[in-house]
Amino acid sequence: AQSVTQPDIHITVSEGASLELRCNYSYGATPYLFWYVQSPGQGLQLLLKYFSGDTLVQGIKGFEAEFKRSQSSFNLRKPSVHWSDAAEYFCAVGEDTDKLIFGTGTRLQVFP
Amino acid sequence: NAGVTQTPKFHILKIGQSMTLQCTQDMNHNYMYWYRQDPGMGLKLIYYSVGAGITDKGEVPNGYNVSRSTTEDFPLRLELAAPSQTSVYFCATSGVVGEKLFFGSGTQLSVL
Repeated sequence: AQSVTQPDIHITVSEGASLELRCNYSYGATPYLFWYVQSPGQGLQLLLKYFSGDTLVQGIKGFEAEFKRSQSSFNLRKPSVHWSDAAEYFCAVGEDTDKLIFGTGTRLQVFP
Repeated sequence: NAGVTQTPKFHILKIGQSMTLQCTQDMNHNYMYWYRQDPGMGLKLIYYSVGAGITDKGEVPNGYNVSRSTTEDFPLRLELAAPSQTSVYFCATSGVVGEKLFFGSGTQLSVL
C-alpha cells in the first residue's frame, strides 16, 4: 500500500543552523513528491515539488529537497534556518491520480 | 486574487446537528478536495471532485457528503455531527492532476 512516513514529529534547531527533515515513501512507481509548509492557523503552502529530471529540487524560501530513488526518500534541507521557518512541514506523494497522500508532519521549532 | 475561500473559519456544533462547510474558488480549477487535519495524523482526504457534477470518496468519507454543482463551489456537509468530527478542515484545488494544491485557510470545527 502507498504510504508516506515522516519519522520526526518535532525538531528543534538554533537559528542559523542547518536543517534536514526526513520523508520516506512507499509507492509502486515514481511518484510526484511535494513538500508543504503550514504556518500556525494557516493553510498549506507549497515549498517545492519533484516530478522528474534533476533529483535535487530548489524551492521557495531557500529550501531544497533531494529525491533518492534507492532510499525511497525525499528529504527537505535548508543550510541556514531563520526564526520565521518555524512551522509544520508536510511531505506528500501522489501518482497520476487525483489524490495526494500526506505524511503526519514535522513540527519545526527555531531557537534564537 | 481571492484563491480558495473557506467559511466559516471557526464553528462549534452540538452532537447530532448538521452543517455545511463552504468552499469557493475563483481559479477555474477542475479539481477540488476536502481534507481534515487531526493532530499527529497529517491530512486525510475526505472527498474530492474532478469537475462539476463528479465527486468521489477519499480515505475518510463516512459522516460527510459533498456536491459539486458548479466549478467554483464544493461544499462539505456534515450530517449528525459526532465528536470524532472535531478537526480542522481544509479545502484545496488544483488545475491539473499531480500539480500543486492551493489550500484555503481552514475551518476549525468543534463538536461538543
